[in-house]
Amino acid sequence: AQRVTQPEKLLSVFKGAPVELKCNYSYSGSPELFWYVQYSRQRLQLLLRHISRESIKGFTADLNKGETSFHLKKPFAQEEDSAMYYCALSGHSGGSNYKLTFGKGTLLTVNP
Amino acid sequence: DGGITQSPKYLFRKEGQNVTLSCEQNLNHDAMYWYRQDPGQGLRLIYYSQIVNDFQKGDIAEGYSVSREKKESFPLTVTSAQKNPTAFYLCATKQGYNSPLHFGNGTRLTVT
Repeated sequence: AQRVTQPEKLLSVFKGAPVELKCNYSYSGSPELFWYVQYSRQRLQLLLRHISRESIKGFTADLNKGETSFHLKKPFAQEEDSAMYYCALSGHSGGSNYKLTFGKGTLLTVNP
Repeated sequence: DGGITQSPKYLFRKEGQNVTLSCEQNLNHDAMYWYRQDPGQGLRLIYYSQIVNDFQKGDIAEGYSVSREKKESFPLTVTSAQKNPTAFYLCATKQGYNSPLHFGNGTRLTVT
């Protein structure tokens, strides 16, 4: 079974402060991890994925297999970062290669 | 994405009636998904299909049915057996295993 846990439903920071959205996963094989974001009145969209090892809109996320975590970080939050963030996992096992499991999401609010 | 069309945007039904939600894509993606989004619950996978004429149950398939007769279409039927059908339903597609999900705009179903 694959599971994604986002322990914080709500996260509120001030503009310019660092932000970290936590994501922990449970999966026996080699997972692929993603962060998706949903801005107000927009479609859910991919923010970044661990295999790309890239920074998108100043956000980074490192896969830590020892801690089974994929936390999303940004050193200086901006008001436009306010959105709902979802961590997602895709497994490799057998017929479930295409199964994507999402966490419950964290609503980030960046205050001026 | 403009290539994924979910219709209608809002749908109202009486309790005890089956209702079918439409999802059409012109992205030529092999895999298609149905998720349900509820406040505080995140996205939960209902059904997914990796190829035409094949589909698998997700985590909350009870009370739902799907078909995949064409690559472009993956309709979801919410049956009267679904105990809490009122929700926001999202359709998504995926090009291949390592590619991200592309989401439609969603259909909000209200059953009274």
